[in-house]
Amino acid sequence: QKEVEQDPGPLSVPEGAIVSLNCTYSNSAFQYFMWYRQYSRKGPELLMYTYSSGNKEDGRFTAQVDKSSKYISLFIRDSQPSDSATYLCAMSALSGNEKLTFGTGTRLTIIP
Amino acid sequence: DSGVTQTPKHLITATGQRVTLRCSPRSGDLSVYWYQQSLDQGLQFLIQYYNGEERAKGNILERFSAQQFPDLHSELNLSSLELGDSALYFCASSVEVGTQYFGPGTRLLVL
Repeated sequence: QKEVEQDPGPLSVPEGAIVSLNCTYSNSAFQYFMWYRQYSRKGPELLMYTYSSGNKEDGRFTAQVDKSSKYISLFIRDSQPSDSATYLCAMSALSGNEKLTFGTGTRLTIIP
Repeated sequence: DSGVTQTPKHLITATGQRVTLRCSPRSGDLSVYWYQQSLDQGLQFLIQYYNGEERAKGNILERFSAQQFPDLHSELNLSSLELGDSALYFCASSVEVGTQYFGPGTRLLVL
């Protein structure tokens, strides 16, 4: 079983819809949670970064972490065609060992 | 633009050969990370350097090695290349835990 599970999709939604992306994890040592966006053949771009449980909002993006359920989410409001990309969740432990463990990524398409 | 640079962008080589990938971190970042992204394995952590010292190792093959130089740039050396080494190789840098910024990657094709 992988440490981080993410539905690979693909996920297609109409423009303007709210998008919900999720990851589950098994390692309770994870304390830092990130969402990256990756366009085709490009490097991952950091979107959101949260520490421990709670919510964080940045513009149209909201990240939620529920450590009790080992479940994280990214919500995209008023989705735009430019949001079409692969979204990767990533996590790291509070150990000084700062490697990131990634989900497999969800491919998202916003239909105009 | 993340501020992390990687060269070359593309690399085509033959099995058994050796290649060197180069990464320059963002200004002020002391940590450099190397990741491999393949279709079947996703993004996998290879190795981390912090201010010239190896800090963490992931699923890095013995045929692969890396180093970080005094000017903080890093090189990933891949030797005795196999077809299965074909992948995207990313470098990331950070100054603190959690905020890793990725470069554009090097696409390696082994024929």
